[in-house]
Amino acid sequence: GAVVSQHPSWVICKSGTSVKIECRSLDFQATTMFWYRQFPKQSLMLMATSNEGSKATYEQGVEKDKFLINHASLTLSTLTVTSAHPEDSSFYICSARLAGGPKYEQYFGPGTRLTVT
Amino acid sequence: GQQLNQSPQSMFIQEGEDVSMNCTSSSIFNTWLWYKQEPGEGPVLLIALYKAGELTSNGRLTAQFGITRKDSFLNISASIPSDVGIYFCAGQLLNAGNMLTFGGGTRLMVKP
Repeated sequence: GAVVSQHPSWVICKSGTSVKIECRSLDFQATTMFWYRQFPKQSLMLMATSNEGSKATYEQGVEKDKFLINHASLTLSTLTVTSAHPEDSSFYICSARLAGGPKYEQYFGPGTRLTVT
Repeated sequence: GQQLNQSPQSMFIQEGEDVSMNCTSSSIFNTWLWYKQEPGEGPVLLIALYKAGELTSNGRLTAQFGITRKDSFLNISASIPSDVGIYFCAGQLLNAGNMLTFGGGTRLMVKP
């Protein structure tokens, strides 16, 4: 159980275009999903917290108009990188949180590698 | 922002050896999690710790939640080549929406 999928697994796009990445919880409902970015040989950096049916909360330094997040259902959150530039090339990972009781765990998707040319 | 200091940054060991890595912070956490990440994949949860002093095992992996709630360690016994990967600790801060703060990772390499 607790499987999270991401689509696509990798994408190459031209500078100036927009890219949408989907994150789905396959066998559970996730009221909260998180989006991370990871550069090579670095740790995961939280970009934003996405709550179903409400606006995402962005971390300091993350442009909300550039990284559009939509969490329309309890099993799907999307991240759209608008007007992508080469410096946006990175590994984007989502996670979904199992909530309830005293235990909180996040389950991660397999990641999406974005390359902007 | 909050930081987790994870060490060592990398380890290159012989198959069969035991491995130990740890994370420390100046902040108190209510939950510690240990993840393993392989190249091109998302992190996979290995062990979750919820109580100070808790010692939990998962096969050859053992992790402990420090008494002060500011640190945690992960041990891997009798390492094998498939243990290769990056291990991340992550803590959930009290009163911070239970968001995860990640350590810098420990890159483990195992020589057969």
